[in-house]
Amino acid sequence: QKEVEQDPGPLSVPEGAIVSLNCTYSNSAFQYFMWYRQYSRKGPELLMYTYSSGNKEDGRFTAQLNRASQYISLLIRDSKLSDSATYLCVTNGGFQKLVFGTGTRLLVSP
Amino acid sequence: GAVVSQHPSRVICKSGTSVKIECRSLDFQATTMFWYRQFPKQSLMLMATSNEGSKATYEQGVEKDKFLINHASLTLSTLTVTSAHPEDSSFYICSARDRGPRWGYTFGSGTRLTVV
Repeated sequence: QKEVEQDPGPLSVPEGAIVSLNCTYSNSAFQYFMWYRQYSRKGPELLMYTYSSGNKEDGRFTAQLNRASQYISLLIRDSKLSDSATYLCVTNGGFQKLVFGTGTRLLVSP
Repeated sequence: GAVVSQHPSRVICKSGTSVKIECRSLDFQATTMFWYRQFPKQSLMLMATSNEGSKATYEQGVEKDKFLINHASLTLSTLTVTSAHPEDSSFYICSARDRGPRWGYTFGSGTRLTVV
């Protein structure tokens, strides 16, 4: 079992849709969780981070962490064409290392 | 926010030659930098962790003599792919950790290496 699991997609949605990207983790010791967005052939860029159970909102993005279920989600409202990218669910493993999910590819169409 | 500059963004080299990739933290001091490799449609794989002024720590299966990492200052780390072969062709990404919050991991824009 992978430590962080994501559905690879691709997930196709129309512009303006609400999208939920999901992620589960297996190690209850993981503390911080981050969502990164990666465009093709570019480095990942941090969208959001969270460490407390509950919701954290930033503009069109909401990160939800449920420690009891070991589940994290990223909600994107009013999807835009520029949201088409791969979304990486990332947590901090031991010794400063990051643990990555495989990423979910999102395609937003006109 | 924190910015990590990575150069070159793309490089093509002949088999047997060496290639150096630079990673600079522009507005913060990075005590720790990470080097990743990414294959198409796969996630990032950690190659090594470098700490300023000390030897890098390599992940299992990564050849130390092939992937030379130098972290000579708090703002610069370099990855040199020595005697490159076509199988080394990949996307290499660096990441630096700010001295600030634990979640301060900033990534460079990546280097696409093609060995012909």
